[in-house]
Amino acid sequence: GDSVTQMEGPVTLSEEAFLTINCTYTATGYPSLFWYVQYPGEGLQLLLKATKADDKGSNKGFEATYRKETTSFHLEKGSVQVSDSAVYFCALEKSDSWGKLQFGAGTQVVVTP
Amino acid sequence: DGGITQSPKYLFRKEGQNVTLSCEQNLNHDAMYWYRQDPGQGLRLIYYSQIVNDFQKGDIAEGYSVSREKKESFPLTVTSAQKNPTAFYLCASSTPGQKLTQYFGPGTRLTVL
Repeated sequence: GDSVTQMEGPVTLSEEAFLTINCTYTATGYPSLFWYVQYPGEGLQLLLKATKADDKGSNKGFEATYRKETTSFHLEKGSVQVSDSAVYFCALEKSDSWGKLQFGAGTQVVVTP
Repeated sequence: DGGITQSPKYLFRKEGQNVTLSCEQNLNHDAMYWYRQDPGQGLRLIYYSQIVNDFQKGDIAEGYSVSREKKESFPLTVTSAQKNPTAFYLCASSTPGQKLTQYFGPGTRLTVL
C-alpha cells in the first residue's frame, strides 16, 4: 500500500541555519504531495503542496519539489527562525482516493536562538 | 471567519464510558474526516464522510462510531470497545473543487483515567 517515510527527529538547529527534512514515498500512480505543519497543541496547517512531477510548492520561505524519479518531496528552508519550531508532516493523496491522506510519522524541528 | 471547530479541547473519561467528540465546520465542505494522532506517530484515519448521510471506515475504525446527519457536523463517538483511546483527535474537511487540501480543526485531547 501507499506509504510515506520521513527522517526521524528531533532536528535541532540554530536560528538562520538551513533546514532540510527528507520525505520519500511509495505509491502507484501519481499522488499529490503535501507538507503540513503542527505547532504545539494545535491542529495541522497546510504548508505547501505539489500535484505533479517537477512541481515546486512554496510558502513562508519553505520549498519542496516533487521528484518522481526519486519518489521524494524534501522540505527546505534557507534560514529558519525560532517561530519555525514545530512538527512537520509529509503526506500523499492518491488521485483516486477522494481526499484521503497518508501521513508520514512527522519530524520535530527545534530552532534555538 | 470560516473554519473548523472541535470541542472540547481537553476531555477526560473513565474506563468503560462512551464519549462523543464534536466537529463543526462552516466552510460548506462536503467531505469530513477524523484522524487519531499518537505521540511520535503520524495521523491515522478513523472514519471519513464524502457526503451527508454517508460515511466510510478508515484504517482504524474499530471501537469508534460516527454520524453525518448535517453537512456541517461530523461527531465521533469513542466507545468502550476502543482499547486504547487516549490520544489527540483531529477533524478535517475538504470540498471536491479543492479536494486536494484538507483543513484541520484544533484537535481534542482525550485522556482515559
